[in-house]
Amino acid sequence: GESVGLHLPTLSVQEGDNSIINCAYSNSASDYFIWYKQESGKGPQFIIDIRSNMDKRQGQRVTVLLNKTVKHLSLQIAATQPGDSAVYFCAEKVGTGGGNKLTFGTGTQLKVEL
Amino acid sequence: GAVVSQHPSWVICKSGTSVKIECRSLDFQATTMFWYRQFPKQSLMLMATSNEGSKATYEQGVEKDKFLINHASLTLSTLTVTSAHPEDSSFYICSAGGVLKRERVNTQYFGPGTRLTVL
Repeated sequence: GESVGLHLPTLSVQEGDNSIINCAYSNSASDYFIWYKQESGKGPQFIIDIRSNMDKRQGQRVTVLLNKTVKHLSLQIAATQPGDSAVYFCAEKVGTGGGNKLTFGTGTQLKVEL
Repeated sequence: GAVVSQHPSWVICKSGTSVKIECRSLDFQATTMFWYRQFPKQSLMLMATSNEGSKATYEQGVEKDKFLINHASLTLSTLTVTSAHPEDSSFYICSAGGVLKRERVNTQYFGPGTRLTVL
C-alpha cells in the first residue's frame, strides 16, 4: 500500500544550467538500462538507453553514463528547460528483449527554476 | 514512437465493484504486456507480465485472483480489479514489448496510465 511520508529526491536547477540525475542499480546481471521521464498524471516516456557493453551514450541534449564497477547510472541534461521538469526514473533489465521485465529505480523529481 | 493506449484514463468506483482497464498497442503487435501500479510519489511496481495466449505471471505479493489479466490478442491486454477497495486506489500503467514494425525492439512502450479511485 501507500507509504505515508515518502517523498521523491528532488533536484532543482536554473533554466539553462546542466542537470545530472543519478541512479544506483541493484542487479549486477542487468545488461540493459533505460531512462524514463514521467510528467504528472502521465505514463513514462522513453528518453535514452544504454547497453552494458558501453559506458556512454549521447542523444539530443541528453547523455547517459554507465559505471558497471559501482553499479551507477547517470543522466545528464544539457541546457535544462522548463519542459524538462518531471520525475526521472532509471530502469534496468537482464537481456535486451522487449519481453524482459524492467525494474525501476526510486525516481528523482527535477524542478527547473526560471 | 510506438503508441500504447489505455482506457479509461480515470475511473471512480464504489467499494466492492470490479473495474476493467484496457491496454492496446496501436501500431505494433505486442507479444508481451506488463502491468504496473504506481502510488503517489513512488516508483512503478511491476504487478504482472502477460504473454499473448497464455496465463500471466504475477510478481510476489500480487493477488492473481484480485487482479485478473487477460491477453487475448497481440494488441490488447486487460486488467480487471475485482472487488475493489480503497487501498486499490492507484495509478495503473501498462506497457507493451515486442517486435516493432520500425525503430527499436528492445524497450517497452508505456501507456498513459489509468487513475483508479475506489470510494
